[in-house]
Amino acid sequence: KQEVTQIPAALSVPEGENLVLNCSFTDSAIYNLQWFRQDPGKGLTSLLLIQSSQREQTSGRLNASLDKSSGRSTLYIAASQPGDSATYLCAVRPDFGNQAGTALIFGKGTTLSVSS
Amino acid sequence: EAGVAQSPRYKIIEKRQSVAFWCNPISGHATLYWYQQILGQGPKLLIQFQNNGVVDDSQLPKDRFSAERLKGVDSTLKIQPAKLEDSAVYLCASSSWTGKTEAFFGQGTRLTVV
Repeated sequence: KQEVTQIPAALSVPEGENLVLNCSFTDSAIYNLQWFRQDPGKGLTSLLLIQSSQREQTSGRLNASLDKSSGRSTLYIAASQPGDSATYLCAVRPDFGNQAGTALIFGKGTTLSVSS
Repeated sequence: EAGVAQSPRYKIIEKRQSVAFWCNPISGHATLYWYQQILGQGPKLLIQFQNNGVVDDSQLPKDRFSAERLKGVDSTLKIQPAKLEDSAVYLCASSSWTGKTEAFFGQGTRLTVV
């Protein structure tokens, strides 16, 4: 059974710091991995999608890496800003050989607070 | 491109009452998901549709929860009767069936059962 773990559960940093959020999963048979952002009381916003054949994806100040064999992904946020304060969720889509016929399995998230 | 639409945004009901949530996915997305997110937890899949057929409902409490997706577009999720432990945010998401299969989520419905 696939399990997703995110460490740390919470993180507080001053503005301007570079930071890394960690995600690990127990089964390396994944189709893709997605990072989401969730603001309080809101839905999930997709940040980055990494296909199983890819090593990393970048969008602005965000960079996500994937090491499928070791079951790990990291989300790197450069030059953090107070507006980055939110919960970041990692989710994997298992690969059962039926292309994309599975749903995302989520970690519990990392709650980030960036102070000015 | 319009996103995933959900309604209502908030709902407060008494235990043993019934409630229904509605979701309209992104146009052209064949796959639709309903997730339950309890405070402090990651979302948990309740049911997955491919067009109007059920792909996975293994975690849906079928004694009280039901869902349908008529004509392969809109979907409704119903709870009857509600329990206190059903208090959560109910999230709808959609994705394409092939290619990137990136999932997009709606704003969610926050349900409080009192």
